Amino acid sequence: DTGVSQNPRHKITKRGQNVTFRCDPISEHNRLYWYRQTLGQGPEFLTYFQNEAQLEKSRLLSDRFSAERPKGSFSTLEIQRTEQGDSAMYLCASSRTQGVSSPLHFGNGTRLTVT
Amino acid sequence: AQSVTQLGSHVSVSEGALVLLRCNYSSSVPPYLFWYVQYPNQGLQLLLKYTSAATLVKGINGFEAEFKKSETSFHLTKPSAHMSDAAEYFCAVSAGNAGKSTFGDGTTLTVKP
Repeated sequence: DTGVSQNPRHKITKRGQNVTFRCDPISEHNRLYWYRQTLGQGPEFLTYFQNEAQLEKSRLLSDRFSAERPKGSFSTLEIQRTEQGDSAMYLCASSRTQGVSSPLHFGNGTRLTVT
Repeated sequence: AQSVTQLGSHVSVSEGALVLLRCNYSSSVPPYLFWYVQYPNQGLQLLLKYTSAATLVKGINGFEAEFKKSETSFHLTKPSAHMSDAAEYFCAVSAGNAGKSTFGDGTTLTVKP
């Protein structure tokens, strides 16, 4: 169990640029989640995958956001035409498929700053 | 629909004192409940979870939580605070088939020497 890995740890970009983040989940976990966390708030659900299928997307996920999980392994989250309001910590988590009782295993996050 | 309310965004205790962090939940189906801890610049780590097996749940680092259905609460306690307990704590509820969790806004615990 090497843990959930996220890259990069920090990303500074200018408004209007595109950014892409990567998440490598724990290898035997088939569920993968993306959350966004802003200062003073808890993580907010963005989307989740079971294997390669994206099964749910939050209304928070505008058309500028897209996530993929090819082959059910790593996942990428892309934000197009970034806005200052996109500045946040983006957290990835994975879990086994054991219904709702499986806890989430989080990575250390990618902190995005849009200038 | 599910939601979590954590009462008190900041809690300060002296080293050796009782820690009590409050969490109330709302869920239309029987919930599963979790407490996570987050240290600066790190992801969240699981402290403990309630999955209906027992109402009093023991977790890591001496923490425990009690599920009270009548009060829709899942408060986190530790008998004696240690300096290393200073962190942000999140309560989360999970219900339905997706396994996704809904988090509270967190409580920052400060431990004074």
